[in-house]
Amino acid sequence: EVQLVQSGAEVKKPGESLRISCKGSGYSFTTYWIGWVRQLPGKGLEWMGIIYPGDSDTRYSPSFQGQVTISADKSISTAYLQWSSLKASDTAMYYCAKAPHHCTNGVCYDFWGQGTLVTVSS
Amino acid sequence: DIQMTQSPSSLSASVGDGVTITCQASQDIRNYLNWYQQKPGKAPKLLIYDASNLETGVPSRFSGSGSGTHFTFTISSLQPEDIATYYCQQYDNVPELTFGGGTKVEIK
Repeated sequence: EVQLVQSGAEVKKPGESLRISCKGSGYSFTTYWIGWVRQLPGKGLEWMGIIYPGDSDTRYSPSFQGQVTISADKSISTAYLQWSSLKASDTAMYYCAKAPHHCTNGVCYDFWGQGTLVTVSS
Repeated sequence: DIQMTQSPSSLSASVGDGVTITCQASQDIRNYLNWYQQKPGKAPKLLIYDASNLETGVPSRFSGSGSGTHFTFTISSLQPEDIATYYCQQYDNVPELTFGGGTKVEIK
């Protein structure tokens, strides 16, 4: 069974760093793109970027380039999303999701993690 | 970047009704469009990819059509479990994938 299990909710202060994780199981982690999607409270979906764990090829939405870092450790089938200095406006739910092979270059997502709620508040 | 305008933003229909949602792209995106369903408190679920292809396991009452700038998503016979927010998502300009604003579907 394909599963993406994300790390738990986080409460942080502005300026702090954070890394959240997404562990894949039940499929070949290195051969499927993983994407990250943000959902602000009560709002719609925003695509952040993708990574191909096999070679760590990473692509960012211009809106998130330089704001976050996407990485993966294929030895433990885990993808990461990290911030070096959080802002209150980063408060959101963050989802990781796996792209099926029929969506080349990771442009659609068939399995999703449960989401990680990040709250940034002083 | 490519803007995706969904309409309506919300709708209310009776069980068994047909429901149609439209998604307008700000420029030609060929058939590079997906549709997702998101139920409250849950992650999105892929329903349609490449504008008209039904994802495996998705009921056939869901369908999509369109190309270029105008796309439609249809539920042929609304069921109580279809209560959700639906999003279109374009991928013509990787890595500038964008979602529409969403359409909230409720039961009348």
